[in-house]
Amino acid sequence: AQKVTQAQTEISVVEKEDVTLDCVYETRDTTYYLFWYKQPPSGELVFLIRRNSFDEQNEISGRYSWNFQKSTSSFNFTITASQVVDSAVYFCALRLHTDKLIFGTGTRLQVFP
Amino acid sequence: DTEVTQTPKHLVMGMTNKKSLKCEQHMGHRAMYWYKQKAKKPPELMFVYSYEKLSINESVPSRFSPECPNSSLLNLHLHALQPEDSALYLCASSQVITGNTIYFGEGSWLTVV
Repeated sequence: AQKVTQAQTEISVVEKEDVTLDCVYETRDTTYYLFWYKQPPSGELVFLIRRNSFDEQNEISGRYSWNFQKSTSSFNFTITASQVVDSAVYFCALRLHTDKLIFGTGTRLQVFP
Repeated sequence: DTEVTQTPKHLVMGMTNKKSLKCEQHMGHRAMYWYKQKAKKPPELMFVYSYEKLSINESVPSRFSPECPNSSLLNLHLHALQPEDSALYLCASSQVITGNTIYFGEGSWLTVV
């Protein structure tokens, strides 16, 4: 069975703190794709990153970084020096050889000034 | 800014009304999707169109009727909805390539009274 688990339901931090959002996935397929999306209160799902199962390189984009570890089936997301604008719900998702995105339940991040 | 645009952003309709949600993309994508998202839940897939043909219907009630007039447009016709159908409806698009990124619009907030 395919599944994505985001164990952290809500995280609250103060501005400038670093925060890591956890994502653990389950699949028996050897080829798969992992995604992170950000959903601010306005509702739009904003694409952040896509990773395929053959590319375990970590990635950094500004204050955002992602740590993909196949050995632990994890694809964690770190925000460095968080800002109030980072407040949103973040979804991790898994895609196989279908049109379906399997979403985790999301982590609500609140960044306080 | 998102390249998937949805109208209207907010819709309030009675249970006997007929209304439509509209979605447009100009990224040349040939796969388009409708998702439904209830509060504090991840999005759930409703329909997928591939090359303007319906390829997936996730057992959605017939009171929701999708339509894909051309490769850039996707509609969702609503009729005789129930209050429990109140939700955020998200349109999305992607290339028809395995594992490709799915890009979402800002969503239409629907309230059924």
